[in-house]
Amino acid sequence: DAGITQSPRYKITETGRQVTLMCHQTWSHSYMFWYRQDLGHGLRLIYYSAAADITDKGEVPDGYVVSRSKTENFPLTLESATRSQTSVYFCASADWRPHISYEQYFGPGTRLTVT
Amino acid sequence: QQQVKQSPQSLIVQKGGISIINCAYENTAFDYFPWYQQFPGKGPALLIAIRPDVSEKKEGRFTISFNKSAKQFSLHIMDSQPGDSATYFCAASIVDSNYQLIWGAGTKLIIKP
Repeated sequence: DAGITQSPRYKITETGRQVTLMCHQTWSHSYMFWYRQDLGHGLRLIYYSAAADITDKGEVPDGYVVSRSKTENFPLTLESATRSQTSVYFCASADWRPHISYEQYFGPGTRLTVT
Repeated sequence: QQQVKQSPQSLIVQKGGISIINCAYENTAFDYFPWYQQFPGKGPALLIAIRPDVSEKKEGRFTISFNKSAKQFSLHIMDSQPGDSATYFCAASIVDSNYQLIWGAGTKLIIKP
């Protein structure tokens, strides 16, 4: 039971290239999230999804695109990578149920470097 | 008003001591306050959480203290151990209206043997 996985774990790309980061969860959680983590900023929400085919912007969505055609997958695409998108990206999932469960489960992260 | 301010940014504590990390918020509608623990190279993981109907919650050596009037909450780690060395994040949410967590900036905790 892998839980939540991310691939690749490390990626180096050049400015202007398109990059897709993959996220897969085996719990069938309804909610999924993409965060970026930068020193001094903690975790900032990029996009989130309440269910398949339902996505919405978070705090820092510019330059990113998401899709969710299946419950278990939530890929994040950088359409034209910029150096400011160098960061560690975390995917998370949650079986969010009021008064019952609020925990977010995080993947191991993808370290992306844009040169 | 959506911010959660976390302090200190870094903290060094001797083994066996008490580690204290503080968070403050402005939005009085927040009603769920979790703490997440992150080890190097790993994703954050839920450590302990509190709802505002109680002033304190304890799980083993970890305690959350919650002060609703001051809009502050803190994490206390008793008998701190080298294995507790990690980055700690506080967060806040309005659980019945949305599932987004508003995160503090994190505290890097180092426990010296």
